[in-house]
Amino acid sequence: ETGVTQTPRHLVMGMTNKKSLKCEQHLGHNAMYWYKQSAKKPLELMFVYSLEERVENNSVPSRFSPECPNSSHLFLHLHTLQPEDSALYLCASSQQLESYNEQFFGPGTRLTVL
Amino acid sequence: GQNIDQPTEMTATEGAIVQINCTYQTSGFNGLFWYQQHAGEAPTFLSYNVLDGLEEKGRFSSFLSRSKGYSYLLLKELQMKDSASYLCAALDSNYQLIWGAGTKLIIKP
Repeated sequence: ETGVTQTPRHLVMGMTNKKSLKCEQHLGHNAMYWYKQSAKKPLELMFVYSLEERVENNSVPSRFSPECPNSSHLFLHLHTLQPEDSALYLCASSQQLESYNEQFFGPGTRLTVL
Repeated sequence: GQNIDQPTEMTATEGAIVQINCTYQTSGFNGLFWYQQHAGEAPTFLSYNVLDGLEEKGRFSSFLSRSKGYSYLLLKELQMKDSASYLCAALDSNYQLIWGAGTKLIIKP
C-alpha cells in the first residue's frame, strides 16, 4: 500500500466501549498527526508526534490516548467517549515537523458515539 | 488570536471560472496552503505559497498577498469533479497549521 492508511473507516461505539483507531504511513515521514474534523468547523489538531515522541497535545480530553510505537504507526485509543466526540478522525504525516512540508492525509475514520 | 476566514459555500457552472478567497490572521507567517477534500475522502494538497504573487498549476492557480493577509484559489474550466471542499491553512511562526473551516464548492451543469 502507498500513502497513509487508516482503519477502521467507520466505527460506531457506545459511551462505555473501548476502541482504537489505527494509522499507518508508507512514506518514510518523521512526523504524524491526529486531527478531528467536525462538520463546518476547521480541522482541530489533537496530537503531533515527531520521531515517535509526542510534541503536541492540544488540550485534548484524557478519554483520547495516542500511541506511536514507531515512525510508521500511530494509534488513537478511545474510552468512555461522549456523543459530541462523533466526528471524522484524520491521520496525517509529513516529512519533517516544523517545516513547510505538505501533510499527507489518510481517508479518516468516521466515528459515531451513541 | 489566530483566525482563517473563507466562505462556507459557493456555486459555479461547469466550464466557468471561480475564485475562492481566504483571509488569515496568524502569529507570524510561514506560508499558505490550499487543500482539496472530496466528500468522504482525505484532504489532498493543491498548493503552497510563501511569496507574494500568483502561482499557476494547470487549471488551478493560487495567489498570495502577505501585506493584506489574503489568498485566493482560482479554478478555471470547471469540471463536475471539482465539486469538493477547499481548505485554506496558514503556517504560523511555530510552523503550526491554522485551518479554515473550508469552502464547499458546488458545480452545476
